[in-house]
Amino acid sequence: EAGVAQSPRYKIIEKRQSVAFWCNPISGHATLYWYQQILGQGPKLLIQFQNNGVVDDSQLPKDRFSAERLKGVDSTLKIQPAKLEDSAVYLCASSFSGTRGYFGPGTRLTVT
Amino acid sequence: KQEVTQIPAALSVPEGENLVLNCSFTDSAIYNLQWFRQDPGKGLTSLLLIQSSQREQTSGRLNASLDKSSGRSTLYIAASQPGDSATYLCAVRPGETSGSRLTFGEGTQLTVNP
Repeated sequence: EAGVAQSPRYKIIEKRQSVAFWCNPISGHATLYWYQQILGQGPKLLIQFQNNGVVDDSQLPKDRFSAERLKGVDSTLKIQPAKLEDSAVYLCASSFSGTRGYFGPGTRLTVT
Repeated sequence: KQEVTQIPAALSVPEGENLVLNCSFTDSAIYNLQWFRQDPGKGLTSLLLIQSSQREQTSGRLNASLDKSSGRSTLYIAASQPGDSATYLCAVRPGETSGSRLTFGEGTQLTVNP
């Protein structure tokens, strides 16, 4: 079974620039999550989708972060404009029933 | 608001030792608890999942216990090996619905020295 795919794996940008991350969940998984993991901390949920609808985006900084899952399969997370404090690993996860999550390798973002 | 705490933050042991990692959570009304392993620069790998009705789960040299009433879980690693070196994260899920999200601790960074 193929796992959760993410790209790019690494990205370096300057502050105020824009960046987008892509995630392809495990086939058949209706629930998709984006987490932000700052160095030395546990992952923090940014947004959760059920199919193509948003279930929880309470911790998403909506002034600069946006995410979509238009066809209920893959998803993109965008930051515009980026700040230094956005430097982190962005993890995508998916689950079939919402009980066990399977995580992708993550995208490491460095904002300079 | 659910808070998850992991102690210790870092642990260094010689190869072959048995060790225990601790996780505590403030709201005992959880659906399940999951232990993950994270290698540097990598994503999370699920190790063990304990449902709220269970007391423990075992996989190979790993054993995880859950005391929901006291808000505690432990991960026991037997006969540690250098390959066990990683960060171990625990996470709790408050409910069974699809809107129920994982809350993570900050992890324990384990180093097993040959």
